[in-house]
Amino acid sequence: DTGVSQNPRHKITKRGQNVTFRCDPISEHNRLYWYRQTLGQGPEFLTYFQNEAQLEKSRLLSDRFSAERPKGSFSTLEIQRTEQGDSAMYLCASSLRDGDTEAFFGQGTRLTVV
Amino acid sequence: KQEVTQIPAALSVPEGENLVLNCSFTDSAIYNLQWFRQDPGKGLTSLLLIQSSQREQTSGRLNASLDKSSGRSTLYIAASQPGDSATYLCAVSTSYDKVIFGPGTSLSVIP
Repeated sequence: DTGVSQNPRHKITKRGQNVTFRCDPISEHNRLYWYRQTLGQGPEFLTYFQNEAQLEKSRLLSDRFSAERPKGSFSTLEIQRTEQGDSAMYLCASSLRDGDTEAFFGQGTRLTVV
Repeated sequence: KQEVTQIPAALSVPEGENLVLNCSFTDSAIYNLQWFRQDPGKGLTSLLLIQSSQREQTSGRLNASLDKSSGRSTLYIAASQPGDSATYLCAVSTSYDKVIFGPGTSLSVIP
């Protein structure tokens, strides 16, 4: 499978726990994006990387959220001290280079905080 | 700040009907516009990508148009089928190199 891969697909965690999600982009893509989507809404931008550099972070990305892409390949999104409001679908996307190329999305990680 | 809206929020049509979904954006300085399909609880599938220099793109029964000056795009679906039932999302790639989504149109095609 050469598409964008996200793991895990589902995560249920207790409030206050830390969680980490992984995204493996399409191999030659150097842009990687994280989005959050709540029920009935379109995806909201969280952050994006150009290779290993994190170029922009949304104000939605509170200090409990951190994203990394250490070698310019896969990326991780960590949420510390989870809250019920963090429950959402977390989507990862990649594109070949800059904004004029098509973005491909993974299947997402659905987080439920109980 | 770029904002994307979609009308209608929901649409229900009988099978076989042609339909149009609308997308509007506030800042015409876009690189491209994409239409995505999302099935319930699933990720996004890219349907069509229109570059900022293009006016339309076609794929099978789908045709998407782009009018940058007016900040509008339409997705035309011909001869709708029950399998087309899904949420359709419009997204623009901005000069800040990120993709901004609209809230989506939920389509239901009734057999």
